[in-house]
Amino acid sequence: AQSVTQLDSQVPVFEEAPVELRCNYSSSVSVYLFWYVQYPNQGLQLLLKYLSGSTLVKGINGFEAEFNKSQTSFHLRKPSVHISDTAEYFCAVSDRNTGNQFYFGTGTSLTVIP
Amino acid sequence: DAGITQSPRHKVTETGTPVTLRCHQTENHRYMYWYRQDPGHGLRLIHYSYGVKDTDKGEVSDGYSVSRSKTEDFLLTLESATSSQTSVYFCAISAGRSGTDTQYFGPGTRLTVL
Repeated sequence: AQSVTQLDSQVPVFEEAPVELRCNYSSSVSVYLFWYVQYPNQGLQLLLKYLSGSTLVKGINGFEAEFNKSQTSFHLRKPSVHISDTAEYFCAVSDRNTGNQFYFGTGTSLTVIP
Repeated sequence: DAGITQSPRHKVTETGTPVTLRCHQTENHRYMYWYRQDPGHGLRLIHYSYGVKDTDKGEVSDGYSVSRSKTEDFLLTLESATSSQTSVYFCAISAGRSGTDTQYFGPGTRLTVL
């Protein structure tokens, strides 16, 4: 089974500053990678996903992530954050060859400070 | 929007009582999932289904059972609720033919067991 590590449980950042949310997973063999966002009292929404092809993936709301197979990482970045980006962010991995399920990290709470 | 609804959205119950949560989808997806979300734990898989009457256990299945008699409905039952099952429960579907494809989530059910 995969395991997913989001090292930063809380990330405060000033408005218009860049941000990186880190995600590492346990095995690089044939994975699909996802980032989800959860606003307060809501369900999870897909931000972006990596299935194959270019290792730099662009998503909604100006976010992007880079798949690094050698470092088994899939870090999420945004060059300039807004107040509205304040939310919980979850990284998830699925195993293409063996799995019927996702493995989620414990989440990173992003707080954008005015 | 993947056409996923959950009912009820909120429920307060007492220890020892049975509780059933319902997930309904409108788009005929094969794979359906039940997760619970708790602070510090992210999302943890309870059970999933890969077809009518086909289900399997997830990471935290003890104390829960599921049933899927129709493609569109996936029920989660707490046979005898305990305070440790106080949580937010999310249903999800997998958009593709396998369980590794993008998952889309319902709005969640907040369950409190007193």
